[in-house]
Amino acid sequence: AQKITQTQPGMFVQEKEAVTLDCTYDTSDPSYGLFWYKQPSSGEMIFLIYQGSYDQQNATEGRYSLNFQKARKSANLVISASQLGDSAMYFCAMREATQGGSEKLVFGKGTKLTVNP
Amino acid sequence: DSGVTQTPKHLITATGQRVTLRCSPRSGDLSVYWYQQSLDQGLQFLIQYYNGEERAKGNILERFSAQQFPDLHSELNLSSLELGDSALYFCASSVGELGPSTDTQYFGPGTRLTVL
Repeated sequence: AQKITQTQPGMFVQEKEAVTLDCTYDTSDPSYGLFWYKQPSSGEMIFLIYQGSYDQQNATEGRYSLNFQKARKSANLVISASQLGDSAMYFCAMREATQGGSEKLVFGKGTKLTVNP
Repeated sequence: DSGVTQTPKHLITATGQRVTLRCSPRSGDLSVYWYQQSLDQGLQFLIQYYNGEERAKGNILERFSAQQFPDLHSELNLSSLELGDSALYFCASSVGELGPSTDTQYFGPGTRLTVL
């Protein structure tokens, strides 16, 4: 079963506007973490923002904020004041426990964001 | 720059060959993770090492193996390569405290492997 769902294969936004990228997750673990990564066309994976399941407030990092709705199991990324350099693939990921007490990241399929001038 | 380095950046080889991908984690990080990104499978976890020991295995083929050395750098060995092994291979590192944590995995720039 897919544990991270990103329903928007592609999104378009005008420069300087805000955009929301959707992410829903599925877990029965009461303790989990959610991450967003950005992958520009050059290929590297850039960490953007983290939200822990017990965090009381939504995470923010500069122009990035995470709209965390625990009951709905959603962790949407909000990018404010979009810039041309924000054009990239965006991946939502969840930290999942592995056997032996370690953890791995499980990724969604990603959303391709295009910022138009 | 995440602080994680990977070499080589690009690798082109033929079917049946063997290659080694190298990763150096961020200073102070004890955990190294390997991921494969392909068009059909997306981003998939392969294997994790913590302070030299294998900690977790994901969807890693038997033809693939990895190790983490005393200086904490890691190598991913891919053998008997097939066309389908063409992908972007990422290494990530984290501080790596065992158990639930707020650990963030920082990714290297990746090695793009092309098997012809």
